[in-house]
Amino acid sequence: DADVTQTPRNRITKTGKRIMLECSQTKGHDRMYWYRQDPGLGLRLIYYSFDVKDINKGEISDGYSVSRQAQAKFSLSLESAIPNQTALYFCATSDLRDSSLRPFTDTQYFGPGTRLTVL
Amino acid sequence: RKEVEQDPGPFNVPEGATVAFNCTYSNSASQSFFWYRQDCRKEPKLLMSVYSSGNEDGRFTAQLNRASQYISLLIRDSKLSDSATYLCVVNRAGYALNFGKGTSLLVTP
Repeated sequence: DADVTQTPRNRITKTGKRIMLECSQTKGHDRMYWYRQDPGLGLRLIYYSFDVKDINKGEISDGYSVSRQAQAKFSLSLESAIPNQTALYFCATSDLRDSSLRPFTDTQYFGPGTRLTVL
Repeated sequence: RKEVEQDPGPFNVPEGATVAFNCTYSNSASQSFFWYRQDCRKEPKLLMSVYSSGNEDGRFTAQLNRASQYISLLIRDSKLSDSATYLCVVNRAGYALNFGKGTSLLVTP
């Protein structure tokens, strides 16, 4: 079984709809992240969480919200989807214990991605 | 100026060739450096970390030049399976990683 899973893998929705993307991990990592990837723009950080009580905005958080329901689960919501949120969304995790030994050396482990299309 | 810049390519090389990619970063406070590999429509995966003294992993060699603020990746004896997009990743002060847009490599028979 994959260590980082995302559901759904593909989603087509309409403008104005509320969408939730879910991420689960069995790696036991404290840190979780949501990115979006657009052609020509690379990966951009939306939100990140270092533990269940910690939520931080990333580079492009407007229009998104997150919930860290447990150490293993981190959900991304689009309250009212718009077409320019069409993108490939990745969840990632990293291990706090790794970086405590070697600061700032987080290796990130990505889920398989969710392809979201907003019509 | 984008924090991490890469030549998007594509780099088209024959099997067996040696190819090198460079990446520049703008934040001199950056502390950690990585190369990730991403296959088409797949998730990025760590290829290798980049250490100050340079490091090698099989056919792959990574170099860091802090004075000039660039990172390089050298691939020797290219294989068809090396075809992918290579992402340069830099850790800013704090914990967030900053990804370059990627360099596309196509290895041909």
